[in-house]
Amino acid sequence: EAGVTQFPSHSVIEKGQTVTLRCDPISGHDNLYWYRRVMGKEIKFLLHFVKESKQDESGMPNNRFLAERTGGTYSTLKVQPAELEDSGVYFCASSQARWQAGVQYFGPGTRLLVL
Amino acid sequence: AQSVTQLDSQVPVFEEAPVELRCNYSSSVSVYLFWYVQYPNQGLQLLLKYLSGSTLVKGINGFEAEFNKSQTSFHLRKPSVHISDTAEYFCAVSARGGTALIFGKGTTLSVSS
Repeated sequence: EAGVTQFPSHSVIEKGQTVTLRCDPISGHDNLYWYRRVMGKEIKFLLHFVKESKQDESGMPNNRFLAERTGGTYSTLKVQPAELEDSGVYFCASSQARWQAGVQYFGPGTRLLVL
Repeated sequence: AQSVTQLDSQVPVFEEAPVELRCNYSSSVSVYLFWYVQYPNQGLQLLLKYLSGSTLVKGINGFEAEFNKSQTSFHLRKPSVHISDTAEYFCAVSARGGTALIFGKGTTLSVSS
């Protein structure tokens, strides 16, 4: 069974540009999460989808970030326009049930560098 | 709200030595507790979890952790480490019924021969 995949693995962009990150969860997982780790800081929750609906977006930093999950399969996270402080590693995770014994399966992350 | 403190940012040890990675948490409600590991260039992998029941939890790769409610701790231990255990380890909590994981800053375990 394929794990959570993320694309791209790395992205280097200039301040003011737009970047779109993609996450493909494990097949059949209704729950999809986005997290971010800024260098030197802890991994922080951004938002949670249940199928195509946003269940919790309390961690989204501002309105430059837009997450979608059309059709309840893969998800995209768009940053527009990107700022220097957006640099970090963006992780996606998925789980089968709303709370399946806490098992969220993580992808390898996308490393974003904004210059 | 919950918070997690990993007391050591880096832990260097020699191969076959025992190791303990410390984690303390703060929460006004009951929580679930987790340890995740990130090997170089890989995603986060669940090592073990505490949901309820026995306070001593065994995970993969010979790791175990003990939940101590009075000390609000969930320290990770391994009696004998290998070079391959070199990785970054994250302690995380989640409120029961919640879904967002709250992570500590991570502890880098470096095992040398």
